[in-house]
This record gives sequence, C-alpha cells and structure tokens, in this order.
Amino acid sequence: AQSVTQLGSHVSVSEGALVLLRCNYSSSVPPYLFWYVQYPNQGLQLLLKYTSAATLVKGINGFEAEFKKSETSFHLTKPSAHMSDAAEYFCAVSENGNNRLAFGKGNQVVVIP
Amino acid sequence: GAVVSQHPSWVICKSGTSVKIECRSLDFQATTMFWYRQFPKQSLMLMATSNEGSKATYEQGVEKDKFLINHASLTLSTLTVTSAHPEDSSFYICSAPPQDSYGYTFGSGTRLTVV
Repeated sequence: AQSVTQLGSHVSVSEGALVLLRCNYSSSVPPYLFWYVQYPNQGLQLLLKYTSAATLVKGINGFEAEFKKSETSFHLTKPSAHMSDAAEYFCAVSENGNNRLAFGKGNQVVVIP
Repeated sequence: GAVVSQHPSWVICKSGTSVKIECRSLDFQATTMFWYRQFPKQSLMLMATSNEGSKATYEQGVEKDKFLINHASLTLSTLTVTSAHPEDSSFYICSAPPQDSYGYTFGSGTRLTVV
C-alpha cells in the first residue's frame, strides 16, 4: 500500500524567503503524486501533480516540485514566500491516479512578515 | 474543471440525532466518491468509497452502521452520521476521482459539531 511522510508539522518562513516542504513516498508501483493546499474550513485545492511525465512539475501560485525516484521524494518549493501562502499543505500519493489518495500528515505554513 | 458541491458547509446537532451530508457532481457523472474525515490539525483519513449502484466500501475501523453512505445516482452521494456523539465532531470532505487534467475534485467540506 502506498504512503506518504511529511516531516515537521509546522513550518515558519519569512516573507520573501524560500519555502521548502518535504515529502517522501512509499509505493509498490510508479506513483502519482500530488500537493494540495487547504485554507481554514475549506476543501483542498490542487497545487500540482506528477503523473510520470516531466520530473520537475510547475504548479499554481509559483510553486513547483521535483520528483526524484532514487530518493522517493517529491519536495515542494517556492522561491519567495508571500503572506497569502500561509495555509496547510498536504502531499498525497495514488497508485494509478484514479484510485484512493493517501495523504501525509500535512505542514502548517506560517509566513512571518 | 469538474466541480463537486458539498452541503451543508457546517452543521451543529444534538447528541443522538442524525446528520446527512450531500455531495453533488455538478457538471459530470461521478460513479465513485471518496469520503474523508479530518480532525483538527490532522490529515485526511479515508473513511469509505461509495459506488453508484453498489454498496460502499468502508475502511478498516469505520463503523458501517454509524456512517451510512448512499450513492443514489451518478450525481449524488450522501454520508449520514447516525446517532451522532461529540466524538463524531470533525471535518468531512468528499472527493471524486479525476475527470480531467485537473485531477481529483474535492468538495468544500462540512464542519460537524455535535453538542
């Protein structure tokens, strides 16, 4: 069964600084990987996804993630944090891109002015 | 992209009563719907998968009789929390599998508070 590990539940970053959220996955088959953002009391919004095409994936709001098979990682980055980036971020994995998603525990990002 | 409408957004109910949460696919037919539960400051945990025309598949540890899931049509899936207790208070979110390049579609969630 697939699983996702996100370390560090709370991540503080200064406005304008690099945002780096780490995600490592476990999957018995080539995975489909996703990053989602969640604002309080709202559903999930897709930031980006990896579906076995380009290893460097660009998403919305300036985020991007790189799939590294050798490291079983899919870390999320953004060069310059904005106050509006304060939210909860979840990494998720799916076996075939159409089946159930397994979520990591999430990272609460706090942006310091 | 595909849209899933989830209602209500929030609900407060008394212990012992039942609450129904609806998820409707607005511009596509959803033969499958995933139901997740999220406790405060925690991740989403899959509760069950509903399939139109057949019984829902529940994850291990989820009480089938407490969380009744019905996939009545290709555009409607419902979750009914029966005989609710304060420990059932949580954020419930539905999700449909990818319909287009945008990927999985999530409802906006329902905040359930049982008093």
